[in-house]
Amino acid sequence: AQSVTQPDIHITVSEGASLELRCNYSYGATPYLFWYVQSPGQGLQLLLKYFSGDTLVQGIKGFEAEFKRSQSSFNLRKPSVHWSDAAEYFCALTGLTGGGNKLTFGTGTQLKVEL
Amino acid sequence: GAGVSQTPSNKVTEKGKYVELRCDPISGHTALYWYRQSLGQGPEFLIYFQGTGAADDSGLPNDRFFAVRPEGSVSTLKIQRTERGDSAVYLCASSLGQGSSEQYFGPGTRLTVT
Repeated sequence: AQSVTQPDIHITVSEGASLELRCNYSYGATPYLFWYVQSPGQGLQLLLKYFSGDTLVQGIKGFEAEFKRSQSSFNLRKPSVHWSDAAEYFCALTGLTGGGNKLTFGTGTQLKVEL
Repeated sequence: GAGVSQTPSNKVTEKGKYVELRCDPISGHTALYWYRQSLGQGPEFLIYFQGTGAADDSGLPNDRFFAVRPEGSVSTLKIQRTERGDSAVYLCASSLGQGSSEQYFGPGTRLTVT
């Protein structure tokens, strides 16, 4: 069975500080990995995705993530956080089984940004 | 262009009642997904449509839940004999089709069963 673990339920950072959100996965093959952001009352927005190739992927809003197969991790990073980044962040994977791309999500990390 | 829309945005119903939740995907997207997000949890997969057919309904929790997509566009998630445990946000997503990676999510329908 596939699973995604986000160990940190809440994280608080100061505006301008760097950020790293952790994501670990369990999957029998190479997964396709995603990070989504969810703001209150908004739908999930895709930040970035990893399929293959370069293990460091760039996304929108200045976010990046690095796929580390040896650690089964796909951590999200941002060098300088802005107050508008406060939201909930979800890591997800899919294995493209049966032609569908159903996503398995982690439980999310709530990010608070202190001014 | 228009994104994925879901109606209603909020639905309050009494235990035992029947509810329908609607999803209008992005035009031209052949794949449609339903997820359920309980408080403090990540979304959980319910069902996936490719065109008009349900290609994977393995996430439906029991036979009280049913979904249709008769013309390959709009989809309706139907819940019979609602229970308080069904209270959650129901999310819909669409994508271009098989093999397409990016799913575009709607804002969700918050269902409260009293």
